[in-house]
Amino acid sequence: AQSVTQLDSQVPVFEEAPVELRCNYSSSVSVYLFWYVQYPNQGLQLLLKYLSGSTLVKGINGFEAEFNKSQTSFHLRKPSVHISDTAEYFCAVSRRQARGGKLIFGQGTELSVKP
Amino acid sequence: NAGVTQTPKFQVLKTGQSMTLQCAQDMNHEYMSWYRQDPGMGLRLIHYSVGAGITDQGEVPNGYNVSRSTTEDFPLRLLSAAPSQTSVYFCASSPGGNTEAFFGQGTRLTVV
Repeated sequence: AQSVTQLDSQVPVFEEAPVELRCNYSSSVSVYLFWYVQYPNQGLQLLLKYLSGSTLVKGINGFEAEFNKSQTSFHLRKPSVHISDTAEYFCAVSRRQARGGKLIFGQGTELSVKP
Repeated sequence: NAGVTQTPKFQVLKTGQSMTLQCAQDMNHEYMSWYRQDPGMGLRLIHYSVGAGITDQGEVPNGYNVSRSTTEDFPLRLLSAAPSQTSVYFCASSPGGNTEAFFGQGTRLTVV
C-alpha cells in the first residue's frame, strides 16, 4: 500500500521569502507524484506532476519540486512567495500500474504568507 | 469548457435522510472518482469508476453508493446520513492511465 506524509501541517512565511513544503511517500511499486493547491472554498488545482524523466519538475506560479527516489521525497519549493500563495497544498501519489486514476493524498500543508 | 461540475455546493441534512450529490464532466474522461476532505486528513477516496457501468470501492466506501450509467455522470448517494458524514466532498475525473485528476468545486455537507 502507498502512503503520503506531509511533514508540516502549517508553514508561516513572510512575503518574498523562500519556502519548502515537504512530502515523503512510501510505496513498494513505482508511482506518479503530484502537488495540488487549494485556495479557500475552492477545489483542487494541479501545481505540477512527476511522471518520468527529469527529477526537477517545474509547475505553475513559479513552484518547482524535486523527485528523490532514494529518499522517497517530493518536496515543493518556491524561491520567493507572494501573499496570493496563501493556500493549502496537498502532495499525492498514484500507482503507475493501477487503473482508475486513484490518488493517495497527504494530510495537507497550510501555507500562510504574511506581509 | 465547464470541466467537472458538482451540485449542490452546500447542503444540510438531518440524520437518517438520504440524498444524491451530483457530478458531471464534459471532458469525455474515462475515470471518475469521489473523495471526502476532512481537517487534518487530506482527501480520502470513497468510490471510483473506470468507465460506464464499472465502479469500485475506495478507502472509505461505507454509507455511500455510486453508479455510472454514462461517461459524463457519476452521482454519489448517501443512503442514511450520519453526523460522521459531515465533510466536503469532491468529484474528480481523469483521462486515463495515471495522469492528473481534475476536480470539481466541492460540496460542503453538514449532517445534524
